[in-house]
Amino acid sequence: KQEVTQIPAALSVPEGENLVLNCSFTDSAIYNLQWFRQDPGKGLTSLLLIQSSQREQTSGRLNASLDKSSGRSTLYIAASQPGDSATYLCAVTGGGNKLTFGTGTQLKVEL
Amino acid sequence: DAGVIQSPRHEVTEMGQEVTLRCKPISGHNSLFWYRQTMMRGLELLIYFNNNVPIDDSGMPEDRFSAKMPNASFSTLKIQPSEPRDSAVYFCASSFPGASGETEQYFGPGTRLTVT
Repeated sequence: KQEVTQIPAALSVPEGENLVLNCSFTDSAIYNLQWFRQDPGKGLTSLLLIQSSQREQTSGRLNASLDKSSGRSTLYIAASQPGDSATYLCAVTGGGNKLTFGTGTQLKVEL
Repeated sequence: DAGVIQSPRHEVTEMGQEVTLRCKPISGHNSLFWYRQTMMRGLELLIYFNNNVPIDDSGMPEDRFSAKMPNASFSTLKIQPSEPRDSAVYFCASSFPGASGETEQYFGPGTRLTVT
């Protein structure tokens, strides 16, 4: 059974700092990995999707990497802003188009 | 496109009552997913449909839960009878495989269910 873990569970940084969120998964037989953002009381917003054949994806200040063989992904956020404060979730797509979600990292960017 | 639409946004009901949650996927998407999010268990897949057919319902917790997709633009998740432990946020998501086989899922805003 696929298990997805995210470290750290919570993170507080000052504005402007670069930061890295970590995601690990136990079964490397995945089709893709997706990073989501969830604001309090809101739904999920897809940030980046990395296919299993890819190593990284970039969108603005966000860069996500994937090392499928070691079961790891990182989300790099450059020059963090207070508006980046949210919970970040990674999820892997396995057989049958099923997403398995990680436990999430709650990020707070302080002024 | 308006994105995935869910209704109601909030539902408060008493134990034993029937609850029906509704979802309208993004037009043209052929896969639809129902998830449940709780503090204790995080986000869990309950069931998903492909081309209106249920493919995997192994995440449905009990027989009290049922889901239908009568057509490509509408799905329901029903709980009968509801129990306090069903209190959670229920998300619907849809996707359409792209040219490269990617299966990015787009989520609705969720329905916050409280069973008293």
